[in-house]
Amino acid sequence: QVQLVQSGAEVMKPGASVKVSCKASGYTFSSYGINWVRQAPGQGLEWMGWISADTGNTNYAQKLQGRVTMTTDTSTSTVYMELSTLRSDDTAVYYCARDGQLSSWGQGTLVTVSS
Amino acid sequence: DVEMTQSPLSLPVTLGQPASISCKSSQSLVYSDGNTYLNWFQQRPGQSPRRLIYKVSNRDSGVPDRFSGSGSGTDFTLKISRVEAEDVGIYYCMQGSHWPRTFGQGTKVEIK
Repeated sequence: QVQLVQSGAEVMKPGASVKVSCKASGYTFSSYGINWVRQAPGQGLEWMGWISADTGNTNYAQKLQGRVTMTTDTSTSTVYMELSTLRSDDTAVYYCARDGQLSSWGQGTLVTVSS
Repeated sequence: DVEMTQSPLSLPVTLGQPASISCKSSQSLVYSDGNTYLNWFQQRPGQSPRRLIYKVSNRDSGVPDRFSGSGSGTDFTLKISRVEAEDVGIYYCMQGSHWPRTFGQGTKVEIK
């Protein structure tokens, strides 16, 4: 069955960068892209961007352009999301989700930004 | 960006009674391939979101048949025929026809 397993919780200082991983299994990795979605405490879902696992092409939310970078490692079926210049309002649970219609989701990674 | 507007934002329901959530998009979700990529997700307390419905009306594997989706163009509905205790949570619609993907604000379903 499809599984997306994310890396563990992180506590970061403002201005730092964080890199969250999402390891896929149970399907042909290169056949589906991965989206990243975040959810601030008590808030709704915010789409951050998408990466093709095949070509590495990306599509980022405009508000995060310049701060977010998504990459893939096909040798380990892992997708990474790096967010730089962290601010307190980046505190959120970050999810990866498979394919253009977000059919399967990871368990989430809590990133806390605090001085 | 395509704006997704859900209503109501809070939905208290009695066990065994039906529930209905509306989702309206600011522009048509009909894609160039003829499909309409409107999805519904359920997020139970403390859990990751889970997709229930894709392409307006198709239930994902394992989703009870009391959940149904309908609509076209810019106007969509999620219905629960008889609400059960396990249906408590927040429901989101999301459009997958345009970039960037956008979600509705979420509808909180709770038991009266």
